[in-house]
Amino acid sequence: KAGVTQTPRYLIKTRGQQVTLSCSPISGHRSVSWYQQTPGQGLQFLFEYFSETQRNKGNFPGRFSGRQFSNSRSEMNVSTLELGDSALYLCASSLELANVLTFGAGSRLTVL
Amino acid sequence: QQQVKQSPQSLIVQKGGISIINCAYENTAFDYFPWYQQFPGKGPALLIAIRPDVSEKKEGRFTISFNKSAKQFSLHIMDSQPGDSATYFCAASKRGNGNKLVFGAGTILRVKS
Repeated sequence: KAGVTQTPRYLIKTRGQQVTLSCSPISGHRSVSWYQQTPGQGLQFLFEYFSETQRNKGNFPGRFSGRQFSNSRSEMNVSTLELGDSALYLCASSLELANVLTFGAGSRLTVL
Repeated sequence: QQQVKQSPQSLIVQKGGISIINCAYENTAFDYFPWYQQFPGKGPALLIAIRPDVSEKKEGRFTISFNKSAKQFSLHIMDSQPGDSATYFCAASKRGNGNKLVFGAGTILRVKS
């Protein structure tokens, strides 16, 4: 059974650009969550999608957005990138809301 | 506001010893407390989890102890092995918040052989 797949694994952007990250959940999983991991702030919840609807949102500015497609695949977008957005962005999926989370390996974003 | 405080930041244990990591939480609405293990270059992986209706849960060499009145929970790794060397995160979530986990800052565990 394939795990959670995140693409791209690594990317470098410059300030002011925007980026889109992709996540394919485990087959059959309908909930997708996104987390940001940085050395300073640790693991922080960004948002969660279930059946194409955002169900929960963390305390991040509106530059961070996401969506989920009918096949449960999800994307997150960060616009007007700032240096502080450099982080490992982790996607996690679960069968339902409030269930066991399986994380992907993450997309490491570097903003120059 | 740090809702889940984790200690220690780092821990060195001899092979065969017991590793103990502690977490304390503030929000009494939390009702799910998982522990995650993360190796370099990988995402966190669920180790073991507990709900407040039990005081202890054991899975193999890993045990969670939970003290509801003190709002504390801890992870014990028995017979620690070099392969257990990783970063460990405690987390908490509350009913109705889906998969919104609040994580502790993490503990870097090194098991010396």
